[in-house]
Amino acid sequence: TQLLEQSPQFLSIQEGENLTVYCNSSSVFSSLQWYRQEPGEGPVLLVTVVTGGEVKKLKRLTFQFGDARKDSSLHITAAQPGDTGLYLCAQRSGSARQLTFGSGTQLTVLP
Amino acid sequence: DAMVIQNPRYQVTQFGKPVTLSCSQTLNHNVMYWYQQKSSQAPKLLFHYYDKDFNNEADTPDNFQSRRPNTSFCFLDIRSPGLGDAAMYLCATSSVGGDYGYTFGSGTRLTVV
Repeated sequence: TQLLEQSPQFLSIQEGENLTVYCNSSSVFSSLQWYRQEPGEGPVLLVTVVTGGEVKKLKRLTFQFGDARKDSSLHITAAQPGDTGLYLCAQRSGSARQLTFGSGTQLTVLP
Repeated sequence: DAMVIQNPRYQVTQFGKPVTLSCSQTLNHNVMYWYQQKSSQAPKLLFHYYDKDFNNEADTPDNFQSRRPNTSFCFLDIRSPGLGDAAMYLCATSSVGGDYGYTFGSGTRLTVV
């Protein structure tokens, strides 16, 4: 199972600012998923990236998969307080496609 | 709506007193997973059921057990809870073969007193 490292671990910004969160591994991903988890709730899938160099957009969120499929980034434009949460990258592996999560980035957007 | 439901949302148990957390799903997914999430940490897989086959993670303590009596239900049993077992416990389901993400329940927050 690959070790997924996320950075930064904590991020506190003002409403309207932009931010980028990173997910890295020493090994190649077959695919990668990004989740957001709000306090007291389970993680919710945001996106799955599969192809090296792939870019996906979800409203103000832009997800990029590195060309070598060893890293991924999540960029949020004009952050809003509703974006506050724990952002997790994750990889599925094993016969039951079980998830292994990255260390997480706790984002706080202040009004 | 099809979903994953965890009961209860909040559970308080005494040190050493057995406790059971439950999870049900209406998605008819063949795999059900239990994760433990401690404060400010990422979820950590404890075990999963692939149909009726139970698969334990190597570092999951023996204190944690699971049962899946049918496709829809899965239980997490903690035989003798310690203070270190206080955490959010998340149930998730997936249909192996598709590449879409898991569906998570809202979790059960366990407090050990």
